[in-house]
Amino acid sequence: AQTVTQSQPEMSVQEAETVTLSCTYDTSESDYYLFWYKQPPSRQMILVIRQEAYKQQNATENRFSVNFQKAAKSFSLKISDSQLGDAAMYFCAYRELDTGRRALTFGSGTRLQVQP
Amino acid sequence: DSGVTQTPKHLITATGQRVTLRCSPRSGDLSVYWYQQSLDQGLQFLIQYYNGEERAKGNILERFSAQQFPDLHSELNLSSLELGDSALYFCASSVVPGHGEAFFGQGTRLTVV
Repeated sequence: AQTVTQSQPEMSVQEAETVTLSCTYDTSESDYYLFWYKQPPSRQMILVIRQEAYKQQNATENRFSVNFQKAAKSFSLKISDSQLGDAAMYFCAYRELDTGRRALTFGSGTRLQVQP
Repeated sequence: DSGVTQTPKHLITATGQRVTLRCSPRSGDLSVYWYQQSLDQGLQFLIQYYNGEERAKGNILERFSAQQFPDLHSELNLSSLELGDSALYFCASSVVPGHGEAFFGQGTRLTVV
């Protein structure tokens, strides 16, 4: 079964600085999706970024980028120029590409605090 | 706004009772997923429907059931409620299962007292 591990329960960053959240996963599949979701205090689950495993290029969305290391099964999220609004729980998630289980498997989350 | 609507936002009920949570997916999305978020279990997949048919099951208890109607809205039924069922229940939808991202509703906060 696929598993997703986030080893950092909490992280803290100063406003305008850069922070990296770690995620590792275990799968025997060669094609799959990886995601980072943000959950602010409102509890809404917001998609931050998506990576297809067959793409070698790391995904980027404005201040958010990933470092996808397929061989190492690592998928870290880098937040640049951190803002107060980035404070939230961040969940790494895995999903099979097409067949089998199509639901998301989530990590346990990392709580990010942003210090002014 | 993700386009996924869940009602009610909050629900307080007693042990042993039955409740129904409702989800309207984004327009055009055929696939609906239900997830449970509790403090000690994190986010767990419960069940998935695609175009009215059950597609996959996760860690869903026998006391829980779901269905997806012809208009594609979905309902999650929770019965014989226990204190441990208190959690945030999310619905998510996607266009086609297995491709792309899922969009989440705002969740229903269930408190069992």
